[in-house]
Amino acid sequence: GESVGLHLPTLSVQEGDNSIINCAYSNSASDYFIWYKQESGKGPQFIIDIRSNMDKRQGQRVTVLLNKTVKHLSLQIAATQPGDSAVYFCAETPYGQNFVFGPGTRLSVLP
Amino acid sequence: DTGVSQDPRHKITKRGQNVTFRCDPISEHNRLYWYRQTLGQGPEFLTYFQNEAQLEKSRLLSDRFSAERPKGSFSTLEIQRTEQGDSAMYLCASSLNSDLWGYTFGSGTRLTVV
Repeated sequence: GESVGLHLPTLSVQEGDNSIINCAYSNSASDYFIWYKQESGKGPQFIIDIRSNMDKRQGQRVTVLLNKTVKHLSLQIAATQPGDSAVYFCAETPYGQNFVFGPGTRLSVLP
Repeated sequence: DTGVSQDPRHKITKRGQNVTFRCDPISEHNRLYWYRQTLGQGPEFLTYFQNEAQLEKSRLLSDRFSAERPKGSFSTLEIQRTEQGDSAMYLCASSLNSDLWGYTFGSGTRLTVV
């Protein structure tokens, strides 16, 4: 079936460096994408979203890039902080109802 | 209203027992979703309601699973004759119609079947 996946299961970065988390999706009908952050014992928390008619969107310290040609999504976190340590998921929805999630990338911020 | 609430946070049960989880969505949200998340994986969609109507069920929702939302507010998810493979985090989310930006998850119920 169609699914969302991630290239890297784990990512370790030095505090203060920038982080880039990648995601590949396969459903060309998807028109809305979200990056979620999930800390241990908590539900997914919204970070940033992007619609398929955009290729870049910026938030506070985060940027999402969408490349529809190669069906690729990335999350960039600037000046990574210890509080950014968590598992990050990209999720897509082609029909505006339920989301399809990838397996996640664990981000570990080193002091 | 502080968000989506789920109860209990943790549940340990013996194989073969029935369990029921509750989800209270954000009060003005008319859509409610259930997901299951196993360790190291992303959440997987189970089912969703618009008001009291259950509009979609995934293949993951076996006959042992039943969800209700009788008054269009809180929802329950029951698992009958639990199996060890049912051990997972059960997440609830809610939204106002198809407003995906306001799609909010609860903290989940962690089920362990022993």
